[in-house]
Amino acid sequence: DAKTTQPPSMDCAEGRAANLPCNHSTISGNEYVYWYRQIHSQGPQYIIHGLKNNETNEMASLIITEDRKSSTLILPHATLRDTAVYYCIVRVVAGGTSYGKLTFGQGTILTVHP
Amino acid sequence: ETGVTQTPRHLVMGMTNKKSLKCEQHLGHNAMYWYKQSAKKPLELMFVYNFKEQTENNSVPSRFSPECPNSSHLFLHLHTLQPEDSALYLCASSRSSGGSPLHFGNGTRLTVT
Repeated sequence: DAKTTQPPSMDCAEGRAANLPCNHSTISGNEYVYWYRQIHSQGPQYIIHGLKNNETNEMASLIITEDRKSSTLILPHATLRDTAVYYCIVRVVAGGTSYGKLTFGQGTILTVHP
Repeated sequence: ETGVTQTPRHLVMGMTNKKSLKCEQHLGHNAMYWYKQSAKKPLELMFVYNFKEQTENNSVPSRFSPECPNSSHLFLHLHTLQPEDSALYLCASSRSSGGSPLHFGNGTRLTVT
């Protein structure tokens, strides 16, 4: 799976949008971009994933650049409970034995402050 | 409630003990996983089971022995562990299609003394 690069930490004011960048310049055509987050003392939580189109769900939006070399996770109205480590992962989803092979990096520590 | 339940949440064991970690999922998934998260290190995949069959062993030492009696339950049997095995052990499940997101439990915090 392709390697991703994320800033080690970011701050955001409560109620503002949090924009978390991820660079995946070596991504292949059959690799999706996944975002997970891990709140202290809990397991990772799936947020969203996409291939090349922008995606939105009840938690966040995912913006993928046209060349797919980078993406941004957007939390539209950050709350204190969004303070967590956010992981950007690229992953082949061609089936077979690829499932489960999520390769986690160090992620971005997002701190939402009042 | 994550849909994936792990017990116990905390475990302290000596190096000569034998213990087991339990994971149960109520999501109707067919794939289950064990991950290890050591302090200041990224999560590491240990084992993958698909329809009760082990499909991945990521060079895990034999002192860790997984068991998957059915698609809803997963165990990790521990024996003669080392202090460096102290970590957060996370269980996850997913549908068996290649791109399905993983759903994680909250883990068992293991301390080996």
